[in-house]
Amino acid sequence: EAAVTQSPRNKVAVTGGKVTLSCNQTNNHNNMYWYRQDTGHGLRLIHYSYGAGSTEKGDIPDGYKASRPSQENFSLILELATPSQTSVYFCASGDWGRNTLYFGAGTRLSVL
Amino acid sequence: AQKVTQTQTSISVMEKTTVTMDCVYETQDSSYFLFWYKQTASGEIVFLIRQDSYKKENATVGHYSLNFQKPKSSIGLIITATQIEDSAVYFCAMREGPGYQNFYFGKGTSLTVIP
Repeated sequence: EAAVTQSPRNKVAVTGGKVTLSCNQTNNHNNMYWYRQDTGHGLRLIHYSYGAGSTEKGDIPDGYKASRPSQENFSLILELATPSQTSVYFCASGDWGRNTLYFGAGTRLSVL
Repeated sequence: AQKVTQTQTSISVMEKTTVTMDCVYETQDSSYFLFWYKQTASGEIVFLIRQDSYKKENATVGHYSLNFQKPKSSIGLIITATQIEDSAVYFCAMREGPGYQNFYFGKGTSLTVIP
């Protein structure tokens, strides 16, 4: 079964601080994604990657950076966290053989 | 513009009945893929069912089926014989073309199954 692991599961950060959310997948999927989920907005795409070394902007990339150092790992970086970035963040990897996404359990981030 | 729209914010149904959740999408591509995902109370998001745009037959998996109306750009999710554990938030999603890797999600519909 596909496995996508996110860490940390919960994070409290201070405004202006740096936050790194990590994602690891053991599925050998090429594509990985970062979404945020907010009430009334559903899932919105922040950044995605086609493979190691690549990152692409999604629909709401402002204030976020991404890093894909290897096939397995994809990080989301908030260089200067703001309260508006308080949200639940989901990482996912893509299996094009079955044409679907596998999601991690989510990271709940609070920026105070 | 929203590419995937779910107009039903929440639905409540009695256990063992059938429920339909609506979803409309917007795309210029001739080839695309439509999905439904379920988010449980624990927050876990799981894939349920998929419809490929070039297929005329409606997809069915277990007690989930789709009502694909291509001329209306509509993909409804039908759950028959609902169970308490079907209570969740359901997301409709679309991936365009063979060259596009993005998935676009609707805002979700919250389903409550009443015993």
